[in-house]
Amino acid sequence: EAGVTQSPTHLIKTRGQQATLRCSPISGHTSVYWYQQALGLGLQFLLWYDEGEERNRGNFPPRFSGRQFPNYSSELNVNALELEDSALYLCASSYRGGSYNEQFFGPGTRLTVL
Amino acid sequence: DAKTTQPPSMDCAEGRAANLPCNHSTISGNEYVYWYRQIHSQGPQYIIHGLKNNETNEMASLIITEDRKSSTLILPHATLRDTAVYYCIVRGGNDYKLSFGAGTTVTVRA
Repeated sequence: EAGVTQSPTHLIKTRGQQATLRCSPISGHTSVYWYQQALGLGLQFLLWYDEGEERNRGNFPPRFSGRQFPNYSSELNVNALELEDSALYLCASSYRGGSYNEQFFGPGTRLTVL
Repeated sequence: DAKTTQPPSMDCAEGRAANLPCNHSTISGNEYVYWYRQIHSQGPQYIIHGLKNNETNEMASLIITEDRKSSTLILPHATLRDTAVYYCIVRGGNDYKLSFGAGTTVTVRA
């Protein structure tokens, strides 16, 4: 069974540009979570999508947005990139949203903003 | 507010059991204990979770004390590939998101 996949593996952008990150969940999973992990910092929750709808978002500015498609894959968009957006962006999926469901992570997309 | 406390680091000899402690003295009745690990620059990997009974799977065993205030993750035969940061998390109720603390950096030595 294929795990969570993310693309691209690495992404290099300059300040002010936009970045689009993609995630495909494990087959049968309807919830997708996005996290940011900056160097030396812990996991920061970004967004949670379930059944095509945004269920919750973390404490990030509106230039971080995303969507979930009918096939449950998801995109994370970051507009007006800033240097501090450089981080590992992780996507996770689970069977159903909420608690008590283990989340399985993808390998991440390393975003570097120059 | 940290829900769990873990030692910052520990070493383990290859082939030996690695016992990773975690304190969660404020855990409530409906909260589970989860363990994840993260190998350098990779996505976190789910290991195991439990409520009050001991659990075992192909990766590890989880021993939870009777009062549920602490637990131990056991890697029965550590290999070099088990070198990673291990995170103990308490989760339940409406905790839809994961929050990792600093974790324990485990180094398995040959």
